[in-house]
Amino acid sequence: DAGVIQSPRHEVTEMGQEVTLRCKPISGHNSLFWYRQTMMRGLELLIYFNNNVPIDDSGMPEDRFSAKMPNASFSTLKIQPSEPRDSAVYFCASRLAGGPPDSHFGPGTRLTVL
Amino acid sequence: GDSVTQMEGPVTLSEEACLTINCTYTATGYPSLFWYVQYPGEGLQLLLKATKADDKGSNKGFEATYRKETTSFHLEKGSVQVSDSAVYFCALSGLGNSGGSNYKLTFGKGTLLTVNP
Repeated sequence: DAGVIQSPRHEVTEMGQEVTLRCKPISGHNSLFWYRQTMMRGLELLIYFNNNVPIDDSGMPEDRFSAKMPNASFSTLKIQPSEPRDSAVYFCASRLAGGPPDSHFGPGTRLTVL
Repeated sequence: GDSVTQMEGPVTLSEEACLTINCTYTATGYPSLFWYVQYPGEGLQLLLKATKADDKGSNKGFEATYRKETTSFHLEKGSVQVSDSAVYFCALSGLGNSGGSNYKLTFGKGTLLTVNP
C-alpha cells in the first residue's frame, strides 16, 4: 500500500492567491481528516469526512477555507484567498471507521504564503 | 473537552541514555492512547498505542503503559539511539459511551528529542 498521498509537498504562493491541496487516502479507508500544524498552535483538526460526507468542520478557521471529498479516493482543501497566517504544514490522514483507532498520516504539504 | 499535556522539550540525550517523556490526559469515557513520531520533513507515524487501562504499547524498544488511575501514558526507552531523534506526540481518541468525539485525535504539543552520538 502506498499510504496516504498528498500533493504538492511544498507550495509557495503570494497573498491573495488560491491554493488547493490534494489528498488520496489509503484504499479502503472511509474516514479522512485534514490537520494543520503550526509552531504556535500545534496540530489542529480542520475537518473530518466519513464516507465522503463532511461530519465536523468546526476546526475550519474561516470561510476562506473549504474542503471537498467528491469520491472515496480523493479530497481537496482549498484556501481562497490565502493569507500569510495560513502558512503551515497541512496533513491529511485516513482510517477505517469502526476499525482500529489508528490514523495514518500523509507526508504533509508545507504551505508558505508570502 | 479532551486534552493532552506532554512535557515540553527540547530533550537532549546522549546515545544509550534512558528516555522518559511524560504525558497526561483529560477525557471522559475510555479513550485510546497513542504515541506518534515525526521525523524531520516527514508526516506523523504511529509509534505505539494502548486501547484500555493497564495495556502496554510497545514498538522499536519504546514502551508506554495506559494508567487510568493517574491518567498518564508516559513514553519510555531504555537506550536511545541517534536515529530516535524526532518529535514525539502523545494523543488520544475518545471511545466508549462518553458521548465525546470518538473519531478524531487530540494531540499534545509535541516533544523534540535530540540524541547525540
